[in-house]
This record gives sequence, C-alpha cells and structure tokens, in this order.
Amino acid sequence: AQSVTQLGSHVSVSEGALVLLRCNYSSSVPPYLFWYVQYPNQGLQLLLKYTSAATLVKGINGFEAEFKKSETSFHLTKPSAHMSDAAEYFCAVSGRNNDMRFGAGTRLTVKP
Amino acid sequence: DGGITQSPKYLFRKEGQNVTLSCEQNLNHDAMYWYRQDPGQGLRLIYYSQIVNDFQKGDIAEGYSVSREKKESFPLTVTSAQKNPTAFYLCASSLLGVETQYFGPGTRLLVL
Repeated sequence: AQSVTQLGSHVSVSEGALVLLRCNYSSSVPPYLFWYVQYPNQGLQLLLKYTSAATLVKGINGFEAEFKKSETSFHLTKPSAHMSDAAEYFCAVSGRNNDMRFGAGTRLTVKP
Repeated sequence: DGGITQSPKYLFRKEGQNVTLSCEQNLNHDAMYWYRQDPGQGLRLIYYSQIVNDFQKGDIAEGYSVSREKKESFPLTVTSAQKNPTAFYLCASSLLGVETQYFGPGTRLLVL
C-alpha cells in the first residue's frame, strides 16, 4: 500500500526565511506525488506534482519540491516565506486509479 | 466558470438521521472522489468513481453510501450507521488516470 508521512505537524518561520516542509513516501511502484495547500475552511489547491518527468518540480507561488528516490523523500521548499504562505500543506501519493493517500498535514506559520 | 460546487456549506444531523451532501462539477471530469478531513489526520478517502453507475470503496467507506447516476454529480449520504460523522467533507474530481484532483469548498457536518 502506498502512503506518505509528513514530518512536523507545525512549522514556524520568519517572513523572508526559507520554508522547508518534509514528506517521505512509501510505495512499491514508482510513485506519483503531490503537494496541496489548504487555507482555513476551504478546499485544497494543487501546488505541484511529480510524475517522473523531472526530479525537481516547480510549482505555483515560488514553491518547488525535489524527488529523491534514495531517500524516499519529496520535500517542499520556498526560498523566502511570505505572510500569505501561512496555511496547511498536504503531501499525497496517488495509486494507479488516482485514489490518493494524504499525509496528516503541516501547518505553516509565518512570523512578521 | 468551471469548477466544483458543494452544498450546503454547513449541515446539521440529528441522531439516527441520514443526511446527503451534494457535489456537482462542470469540468467534464470522469472521476470523482469523496474525502473526510479530521484535525490532525489529513484527508481520508471515502469513495471514488471513475465512470457513471460505478464506484469503489476507499479506506473509510463504512457508514457512508454514494451514487453516480450522472457524470456531473456524486452525492454522499452519511447514514445513521456512521457513529462519528462530525468532520469536514471534501469532494474532488479529475480526468481519468493519475491526474490533478480539483477540490470543492467543502461541507462541514455537525451532529446535534
């Protein structure tokens, strides 16, 4: 069965600092991996996705993630945090039927 | 505007009552999904459907039922057998295959 684990339920950074949100996956086949963002009381919005075309994936709002097979990781980064980045972030892995399994989420707080 | 709509935004259920959550999409997507979100647990897959008149159980289908009579609609019924229904319910849709899922704004279900 495929699954993802997000390390750290809460991450706090200062405005302008590096954002690093960690995600490790477990999959017996080459995985399809996603990062989504959720603002309070709203649905999820796709940030980026990995589908084996390139290991470094660039997404919206300046976010990117690197697929590392040797580490079974797909960490999300942004060089400089903005106040508007405060939200909850979910890593997910997709099965062949696009039945997605999500991590527990990481809440990002950005301090002024 | 194309998108996914969920109604109502808030729903109250009395003990022993079945309630139905609506999900409609006009994106011409074949696949639709229902997730349940609880604090600290991320999203968990309830049911998904890849074609009209067919659907599959996800990880937590017990106490829920769905139908897919039209491509655009995928209603979820929370039955009285679901003993802990209080949660945020999210509907999503996608093209077939491993594709981005687009999410609705969610319905929050509360028990009176």
